[in-house]
Amino acid sequence: GAGVSQSPRYKVAKRGQDVALRCDPISGHVSLFWYQQALGQGPEFLTYFQNEAQLDKSGLPSDRFFAERPEGSVSTLKIQRTQQEDSAVYLCASSEVTGVGQPQHFGDGTRLSIL
Amino acid sequence: QKEVEQNSGPLSVPEGAIASLNCTYSDRGSQSFFWYRQYSGKSPELIMFIYSNGDKEDGRFTAQLNKASQYVSLLIRDSQPSDSATYLCATNTGNQFYFGTGTSLTVIP
Repeated sequence: GAGVSQSPRYKVAKRGQDVALRCDPISGHVSLFWYQQALGQGPEFLTYFQNEAQLDKSGLPSDRFFAERPEGSVSTLKIQRTQQEDSAVYLCASSEVTGVGQPQHFGDGTRLSIL
Repeated sequence: QKEVEQNSGPLSVPEGAIASLNCTYSDRGSQSFFWYRQYSGKSPELIMFIYSNGDKEDGRFTAQLNKASQYVSLLIRDSQPSDSATYLCATNTGNQFYFGTGTSLTVIP
C-alpha cells in the first residue's frame, strides 16, 4: 500500500500476557519510529530505526518493551508481561531519511487495551 | 519542563475566521518544526513543516517560526468546520521528535 500500515488495529490482552504489534512502513523509507500516545496526550517517542539498526531506544519505558526491524522494512514492537499502564495507542511512523525538514508519515496505530 | 508546550484549548472560532495556534519549545538545538492535524481516533496527519525563521504559506495555512523566542505558530485562514481537530506541534533534534499535547480546535458553523 501507499501508506504506513499497522496491525492489529485493536488489541485486547489480559494483564501479564505478551503482545506483538506490527508496522509495515512506506516502501523505501529508511527511518522508522515507534510512539506511544495516551488519551489526550501527544505521541511520546519510544524508539528509532535506521534500516535494520536500532539507533535510539531511549524512550522505551521498561525492559518489557522490545522492538526489532530485522530486514530493514517491517518492524515489530513487543511488550512482555503487559501491565494496565501499557494501555495506549501505539503509533508507527516512517520517513525517507532522517534530517532537517524530513516529515514523518504515521500509520493508523494499534489501540492496546490491557484488562 | 516538557520539550514542547501547547495550550490545550479548546479553541473555538467561527467559520471563516482566522484560527491561531501557538507552540513554544525548550531546546535551542531544535532543527525543524512540524504541525500535524489529528482527528479523533485517527493518526496524526502532516500539515506543514518549517525550519527557517519567518513565515511559510501553503494554501490557507501559514506557519511562523521565531527561533530567538523559541516560538512556532500556525495560522488557519478562512477556517472551515472540517478544520475541527487537535493540532500537534512537533520539533526535531537529530533522531528525536518531540510532540506537544495538542490544541483542540473547534470551528463553529
